[in-house]
Amino acid sequence: DAGVIQSPRHEVTEMGQEVTLRCKPISGHNSLFWYRQTMMRGLELLIYFNNNVPIDDSGMPEDRFSAKMPNASFSTLKIQPSEPRDSAVYFCASKDRGGNEKLFFGSGTQLSVL
Amino acid sequence: RKEVEQDPGPFNVPEGATVAFNCTYSNSASQSFFWYRQDCRKEPKLLMSVYSSGNEDGRFTAQLNRASQYISLLIRDSKLSDSATYLCVVLGGGGADGLTFGKGTHLIIQP
Repeated sequence: DAGVIQSPRHEVTEMGQEVTLRCKPISGHNSLFWYRQTMMRGLELLIYFNNNVPIDDSGMPEDRFSAKMPNASFSTLKIQPSEPRDSAVYFCASKDRGGNEKLFFGSGTQLSVL
Repeated sequence: RKEVEQDPGPFNVPEGATVAFNCTYSNSASQSFFWYRQDCRKEPKLLMSVYSSGNEDGRFTAQLNRASQYISLLIRDSKLSDSATYLCVVLGGGGADGLTFGKGTHLIIQP
């Protein structure tokens, strides 16, 4: 298995622009998570899905952030408009809810908003 | 009190030494516990689960103390390749599907 695949690996954009991060979970995993990591705040959960349905989006910082999971093999995290304080590493992770709590992370997207 | 707390370090340890660090959690209803390892500019990866009876995997030993609500990680005969950030993860009582991450402890093994 290729693992959790995220794209792009790096994104540099200007303030006010729309940013879309993409994630392909491991095939067969039915839970998907979006995290944001910064030095100051560590790893923060933004939103997670079970069976493509958003379960908890309380970590989404503002209405500028939105996430979708149109099918079991694809999810997006969108920031519109982006701001410099959104600069962070964004990780996608997936796991199988069938009793195994092991969480598999993608390589992350390093986002820089100038 | 934060849900999961760790000493951020860094812990500077000479190669070959033994190092241990703890993680405290606030929710007594927490059910499962894990240690993840994160290398610089990489994603977190599961290092080991932590069982009530404690468990060992080679040079690594994890312990759980439910009465005092902490888990520990002990690394014996440390190697340069052990340098990383170690994240404590607690399942149950909050967070994503119950998973709550600590901010991590930074470990540097020095030659």
